Amino acid sequence: DVKVTQSSRYLVKRTGEKVFLECVQDMDHENMFWYRQDPGLGLRLIYFSYDVKMKEKGDIPEGYSVSREKKERFSLILESASTNQTSMYLCASSFRTGRDSPLHFGNGTRLTVT
Amino acid sequence: GESVGLHLPTLSVQEGDNSIINCAYSNSASDYFIWYKQESGKGPQFIIDIRSNMDKRQGQRVTVLLNKTVKHLSLQIAATQPGDSAVYFCAEKPGGYNKLIFGAGTRLAVHP
Repeated sequence: DVKVTQSSRYLVKRTGEKVFLECVQDMDHENMFWYRQDPGLGLRLIYFSYDVKMKEKGDIPEGYSVSREKKERFSLILESASTNQTSMYLCASSFRTGRDSPLHFGNGTRLTVT
Repeated sequence: GESVGLHLPTLSVQEGDNSIINCAYSNSASDYFIWYKQESGKGPQFIIDIRSNMDKRQGQRVTVLLNKTVKHLSLQIAATQPGDSAVYFCAEKPGGYNKLIFGAGTRLAVHP
């Protein structure tokens, strides 16, 4: 079974802090994704990556950055956390572009910014 | 804690009945479709997928039907169990892209 592991289930941070959310997958997937999930808004794509050191903006990249130094690890960075970034963050991975395959999700990190 | 399922349509069924969850997708160029199940406090879990060259695909207790003419996808769950209670999302992938477009979700409530 594919396993996508997010390092924290719950995080509480203060406004202005730099926040790192970590995600690791064990299936040698090329693609990795970061989503946020909010009631009434569904899943929204923040950033994704097709390969090591490659990144693409999703639908709501503002206020976020990402890092992919190793194939199995994809980090989401909030440079200066704000209260409107309080959300559930979901990491996902899948096989490479051009091959239909489902995204496999981690269990999420619920971030609260106070 | 806060529920991802707030404001979602809800389907209530009796344990043992069959459930049908519907999804209208948006892009006629979509060629790959997925159903996910999300239980409270967990990430979405892959259930079943189907490609646009198929009309029907069956898994264990689940069947996905695809009607491309009306851009409609459905998930049928046979003999629904309390453990099936969750929010169910459909997702579509437009051809040539690797990004998924997610539906808003439907909450399935199974009553004993």
